[in-house]
Amino acid sequence: KAGVTQTPRYLIKTRGQQVTLSCSPISGHRSVSWYQQTPGQGLQFLFEYFSETQRNKGNFPGRFSGRQFSNSRSEMNVSTLELGDSALYLCASSYRQGNSPLHFGNGTRLTVT
Amino acid sequence: KNEVEQSPQNLTAQEGEFITINCSYSVGISALHWLQQHPGGGIVSLFMLSSGKKKHGRLIATINIQEKHSSLHITASHPRDSAVYICAVRGGGDSWGKLQFGAGTQVVVTP
Repeated sequence: KAGVTQTPRYLIKTRGQQVTLSCSPISGHRSVSWYQQTPGQGLQFLFEYFSETQRNKGNFPGRFSGRQFSNSRSEMNVSTLELGDSALYLCASSYRQGNSPLHFGNGTRLTVT
Repeated sequence: KNEVEQSPQNLTAQEGEFITINCSYSVGISALHWLQQHPGGGIVSLFMLSSGKKKHGRLIATINIQEKHSSLHITASHPRDSAVYICAVRGGGDSWGKLQFGAGTQVVVTP
């Protein structure tokens, strides 16, 4: 089975721009969650989707949004980028929502200049 | 204050030594995850626990729900165990489903 695929692997954007990151879960997995990792704050939960619905959301501003498609693929969008949005963005998929083992992608490293 | 505390922050061990990493949390949880992150960023899920103890190879994870504490043990440590180990709790009650992470423990195993 193919693992969780995140694209692109690296991205450089300018402050004020917007960005869309993509996550393809393991086949059969219906839950996708997103995380931000920075040296200062560590790993932080962004949101979780299951069956195309956002089920949980972390404490991030509205500039961070996401969606899930009927094939369980997910995208997250960050609008009006700030320098502090520079981070590694990770997604994870699991078979079901809630207490189910997480399978992480390799992440997208976003640099905002 | 972080609701998930890990100790130690850093740990250096010689090959073959027994390693213990601790995780304490202050919220009600439905499950606890132990994750391993190697340089370059990739994260691997080692265990998901809601009670008791689990073992996989040289790794053992335990959780005490009443004391809000979990430990990850590495027996007969090896240089390939060098990584950051992260504890994550999935909230219960009002925080149901949200994942909160510890700051991680950097483990270095020397030959």
